[in-house]
Amino acid sequence: QSVLTQPPSVSGAPGQRVTISCTGSSSNIGAGYDVHWYQQLPGTAPKLLIYGNSNRPSGVPDRFSGSKSGTSASLAISGLQAEDEADYYCQSYDSSLSGRYVFGTGTKVTVL
Amino acid sequence: QVQLVQSGAEVKKPGASVKVSCKASGYTFTSYYMHWVRQAPGQGLEWMGIINPSGGSTSYAQKLQGRVTMTRDTSTSTVYMELSSLRSEDTAVYYCARGVGATHNWFDPWGQGTLVTVSS
Repeated sequence: QSVLTQPPSVSGAPGQRVTISCTGSSSNIGAGYDVHWYQQLPGTAPKLLIYGNSNRPSGVPDRFSGSKSGTSASLAISGLQAEDEADYYCQSYDSSLSGRYVFGTGTKVTVL
Repeated sequence: QVQLVQSGAEVKKPGASVKVSCKASGYTFTSYYMHWVRQAPGQGLEWMGIINPSGGSTSYAQKLQGRVTMTRDTSTSTVYMELSSLRSEDTAVYYCARGVGATHNWFDPWGQGTLVTVSS
């Protein structure tokens, strides 16, 4: 029962820009907690893509960018490439009693 | 380089317990929290809990309280996750992930995952 909501799927042609939203509430993103993003290629473990809302770890292409506003966050992929086809998850912290760390529902990115 | 290596796949019967290990290398083991996350087949990621390898303190997701136990062995830089009273809904890939960040963590890197299958 994820508390962060993402669109199930997004798609785009090579070279296009796609965005993935991550909608939370006043107990997580809206409370000021940072949002982080992970990329999961088929059959592999998740990999950190963005941390602290908008920071890229070394080795992550600058085609990937993150932002946060209010109770939502977004991940943008510009110059879409075939290798970007994967599942993407947002993650944050939640101050409610139901849990501490929370993930988004996940978004499948398809490159047309 | 920082690496987390997990134990191999397990097949368990309903009602049994499973213990998954995660061996850390490439950094000071006691300086970073360790988290466990699971992913049921075709589903999303679910946070299970956190352990402080330094003192051994733990905190678990509410839905797993009473069934999950996380421990560590500082002599081998290994953390363990034991899940008891297994049911079919516990069939999933279980990941350990190092927690990074001063207050509320992000996860980097992740172990390769351990498939636990619960079936009679």
